[in-house]
Amino acid sequence: AQTVTQSQPEMSVQEAETVTLSCTYDTSESNYYLFWYKQPPSRQMILVIRQEAYKQQNATENRFSVNFQKAAKSFSLKISDSQLGDTAMYFCAHQTSGSRLTFGEGTQLTVNP
Amino acid sequence: EPEVTQTPSHQVTQMGQEVILRCVPISNHLYFYWYRQILGQKVEFLVSFYNNEISEKSEIFDDQFSVERPDGSNFTLKIRSTKLEDSAMYFCASSVGVSLSIGQYFGPGTRLTVT
Repeated sequence: AQTVTQSQPEMSVQEAETVTLSCTYDTSESNYYLFWYKQPPSRQMILVIRQEAYKQQNATENRFSVNFQKAAKSFSLKISDSQLGDTAMYFCAHQTSGSRLTFGEGTQLTVNP
Repeated sequence: EPEVTQTPSHQVTQMGQEVILRCVPISNHLYFYWYRQILGQKVEFLVSFYNNEISEKSEIFDDQFSVERPDGSNFTLKIRSTKLEDSAMYFCASSVGVSLSIGQYFGPGTRLTVT
């Protein structure tokens, strides 16, 4: 069974600074996908970024980038130039093809002015 | 931009009553999912649905739960006899396929409160 672990329940960062959220996972599958979802106070789940396991290159979406270490089963999210609107719960998730998303416990990120 | 919609946004029901949560997935998507999130906890998978049948379900998805796609647009989750522990946020999600790594797109959720 797949497991996803986020060891940082809460983090804070100053506006315009950079923050990194950690995620580790465990799987016996060789082909899978990893995602970061954002959940603001409205509780909507918003897809932030995705990474395919067989791709060496780390994914980037504007101010969001990942550091994917396949051997270490680590998938961290870096947010550059943090904005107040980035304040949210962030969930790391794992998916094998055609299957369910398995979520971590989440990290509450607060961006301070 | 197309989005997944869910109704109602908040449902209050008494223990033992039946509830139906409704979702309209993105129109060209073929795979549909239900997840739930008990307040303060992680999001948990309930069921996936493809080609008018369940493709996978979790241990949470017992006989009290059922899903249906009654027409070409709606996707519903029915809880036959609600319990207090069913109180949670329920999310519908859809994806265009399973071999494409585009992710699952979530609706805004329905908050279910069982009293």
